[in-house]
Amino acid sequence: AQSVSQHNHHVILSEAASLELGCNYSYGGTVNLFWYVQYPGQHLQLLLKYFSGDPLVKGIKGFEAEFIKSKFSFNLRKPSVQWSDTAEYFCAVTSPGFSGGYNKLIFGAGTRLAVHP
Amino acid sequence: DAMVIQNPRYQVTQFGKPVTLSCSQTLNHNVMYWYQQKSSQAPKLLFHYYDKDFNNEADTPDNFQSRRPNTSFCFLDIRSPGLGDAAMYLCATSRGAMGEAYEQYFGPGTRLTVT
Repeated sequence: AQSVSQHNHHVILSEAASLELGCNYSYGGTVNLFWYVQYPGQHLQLLLKYFSGDPLVKGIKGFEAEFIKSKFSFNLRKPSVQWSDTAEYFCAVTSPGFSGGYNKLIFGAGTRLAVHP
Repeated sequence: DAMVIQNPRYQVTQFGKPVTLSCSQTLNHNVMYWYQQKSSQAPKLLFHYYDKDFNNEADTPDNFQSRRPNTSFCFLDIRSPGLGDAAMYLCATSRGAMGEAYEQYFGPGTRLTVT
């Protein structure tokens, strides 16, 4: 069955530290990949997405992610985090091969990031 | 500005008492989804509608039903809630299922408590 693994459940950083959150998926076909963010008390929001083309994707708020097909990975990075980045981050994958081509998103369990001033 | 609206935000129901959660959208999207998210777990797709075409996930319990009377509204009915159904229920929409339409937009969720 298709699945998404996020390696770290909790990450604690100080402001200005660099961030990398791991994401691996298990599916051999064509994939579309997403990172969603959920700030405290708010709904899931799209941070960035990969459909095709340049495997290095830039998103909002200085985040970027790199799709490495050979490693089935889509890690999220930010060179310098801020206190306002405190949130839960979810990696998700979908594919035309899922559910008869419909838009089935499979999520990872999430990573809680706490940034201390 | 609200695009995907869920009501209520918090719902308390009694064990076995039917409950309905509501979702509406102002995006005119073709696809609407319901997810269940338990504490510290990934959101899990229950079912989705592509227009009027209902698609149930194989492992969604029969206790969960859905209705989509029109493009804008979708309901989640839990016929006999058990304690294990306490969770956050997320509604999402997408324009379609191909290409750039893959992006899903989420509502704020309804937190269901079962007493």
